[in-house]
Amino acid sequence: GAVVSQHPSWVICKSGTSVKIECRSLDFQATTMFWYRQFPKQSLMLMATSNEGSKATYEQGVEKDKFLINHASLTLSTLTVTSAHPEDSSFYICSAGSGVGVRETQYFGPGTRLLVL
Amino acid sequence: GIQVEQSPPDLILQEGANSTLRCNFSDSVNNLQWFHQNPWGQLINLFYIPSGTKQNGRLSATTVATERYSLLYISSSQTTDSGVYFCAVDDFGNEKLTFGTGTRLTIIP
Repeated sequence: GAVVSQHPSWVICKSGTSVKIECRSLDFQATTMFWYRQFPKQSLMLMATSNEGSKATYEQGVEKDKFLINHASLTLSTLTVTSAHPEDSSFYICSAGSGVGVRETQYFGPGTRLLVL
Repeated sequence: GIQVEQSPPDLILQEGANSTLRCNFSDSVNNLQWFHQNPWGQLINLFYIPSGTKQNGRLSATTVATERYSLLYISSSQTTDSGVYFCAVDDFGNEKLTFGTGTRLTIIP
């Protein structure tokens, strides 16, 4: 149980295009999903917290107009990187929890590698 | 915000060896988890352990909340144990995980 999927697993795009990443909880309902970014050989940094049916909460320094998050259902959250640039190239990982915030264990998706040329 | 430091940053061991990874955190925590990130990037839950001791096969973990540290023990290491180990915590009133700096473990056959 507690499986989280992400799609696509990797994407290469040209500078200026927008990229959408999907995060799904396959066997449980996730009231809260989290989006992280990880640069090579670094730790995970939380970008935003996504709550079903409400606006996402962004961490300090994360541009909400650049990283659009939608949590339209209890099993799906999407992250759209708008007008991507090479500095947005990174490993993006989502996680989902079935409790309130992190009161229960978070389960992580396999990640999406984004390369912007 | 809460600070999470892990040690050692890198560890290279022969197959069959035992290891201890440490996670120090700067404030009281409501949640502490250990993860293994495999070479493909997938984060695998190892333990949810805000306090006490747990064991799962060759792995065990202990969190001493009053002293603000947690330990992850790996016994009889195998090459598949290679990867990066992260601890992550959330502090009371802040419902989000802060990840530690990680320990990169390499097991040599």
